[in-house]
Amino acid sequence: SQQGEEDPQALSIQEGENATMNCSYKTSINNLQWYRQNSGRGLVHLILIRSNEREKHSGRLRVTLDTSKKSSSLLITASRAADTASYFCATDAIMGDKIIFGKGTRLHILP
Amino acid sequence: KAGVTQTPRYLIKTRGQQVTLSCSPISGHRSVSWYQQTPGQGLQFLFEYFSETQRNKGNFPGRFSGRQFSNSRSEMNVSTLELGDSALYLCASSLDWDSMGKLFFGSGTQLSVL
Repeated sequence: SQQGEEDPQALSIQEGENATMNCSYKTSINNLQWYRQNSGRGLVHLILIRSNEREKHSGRLRVTLDTSKKSSSLLITASRAADTASYFCATDAIMGDKIIFGKGTRLHILP
Repeated sequence: KAGVTQTPRYLIKTRGQQVTLSCSPISGHRSVSWYQQTPGQGLQFLFEYFSETQRNKGNFPGRFSGRQFSNSRSEMNVSTLELGDSALYLCASSLDWDSMGKLFFGSGTQLSVL
């Protein structure tokens, strides 16, 4: 079963706008990661946030983590055409032993 | 440093056949994980190997198996292929298993079962 669930499943925005994706998970985690996948290729690691962190930034990316709500959000600011991709959250549960991915959010940046 | 290499990139098989996929991790990485990706199910964890030992296994039938060699290269095998096995199979390597868990993915093998 999926540990993480991304929301929305798909998102289309105009270039230059901000994109926000959410991830909810079920069990307590060690850390949460976000990955990007371009059109059926391999996934690329974007950012990792530990369970004791609440917010993290990397370039145009901002990730928040709310362990009380078991949720995370990924914000991409000033979106570009190259940001068109699927975005996945991944978690490793404290009592688990593998990294589990959600089903992803498909982001489409309109010119 | 070379990335994770998966071969072949594309594969077409017929039902009942068996297939072997290969994954060469980043040099120095000892952990290799395999995932199956389908449009409906997203990424499903298959198994993870570390130092030639299978440490974790997902909920897949015994037709799916794998192994890891002493140089950390890994193979996965699917026997008696079914139509539902058509998917993108992704391999990921990591330096070690710890709470960091950052994975480096290959480009995948697209398997089509006819």
